[in-house]
Amino acid sequence: DIQMTQSPSLSASVGDRVTITCRASQSIGSYLNWYQQKPGKPPKLLIYGASTLQSGVPSRFGGSGSGSAFTLTISSLEPDDFAAYYCQQTDSVPWTFGQGTKVEVK
Amino acid sequence: EVLLVESGGGLVQRGGSLRLSCAASGFTFSRYSMNWVRQAPGKGLEWISYISSDSNTVYYADSVRGRLTISRDNGKESLYLQMSSLRDEDTAVYYCASSKWELNAKWVFDSWGQGTRVTVSS
Repeated sequence: DIQMTQSPSLSASVGDRVTITCRASQSIGSYLNWYQQKPGKPPKLLIYGASTLQSGVPSRFGGSGSGSAFTLTISSLEPDDFAAYYCQQTDSVPWTFGQGTKVEVK
Repeated sequence: EVLLVESGGGLVQRGGSLRLSCAASGFTFSRYSMNWVRQAPGKGLEWISYISSDSNTVYYADSVRGRLTISRDNGKESLYLQMSSLRDEDTAVYYCASSKWELNAKWVFDSWGQGTRVTVSS
């Protein structure tokens, strides 16, 4: 199985540029999705194919990377962005998620 | 508007069985593959099962293979998860999620239900 690794948490302030990293245990091409999840809510798709913004997602969210190293960037953090973020590889079954990165108030 | 509504969760004894349902509306259900993803209390997301639009292809995570069975009824626009031999570690919120194929991403989980909670107790 492909293991996905994320940092558990980071602290930031409104207006900060935030970078969340995700590393795969082997190369997965660009088959990497990013989701946002708020407490008590289901995940919401933000980015797919490592860098394609899902329709309706604000342009302050961006994704990059390929192979085994990926990044989700929030260009200017807004109050609504404090949440957990999960990466997911869909290169091969079982499709695995990272353990999530919680963006907290600094 | 795409809507996925899970039901059937609850408290079940260790070793028991439960059947989860996911009712779909707002999109052409029969054209989409579907998945179950679970989240244990305070933990991350775990994909557990996939079924193709025509039910011909199914996948399971090792943690549930042989105990959980995914199925669907396109006429009723519904997805199911039959759960048996339940263990403590099956305690989680269970989400159904639709998936679409994108050339640059393979599978993308684009819509999710609100989830249904399953608690396994001794």
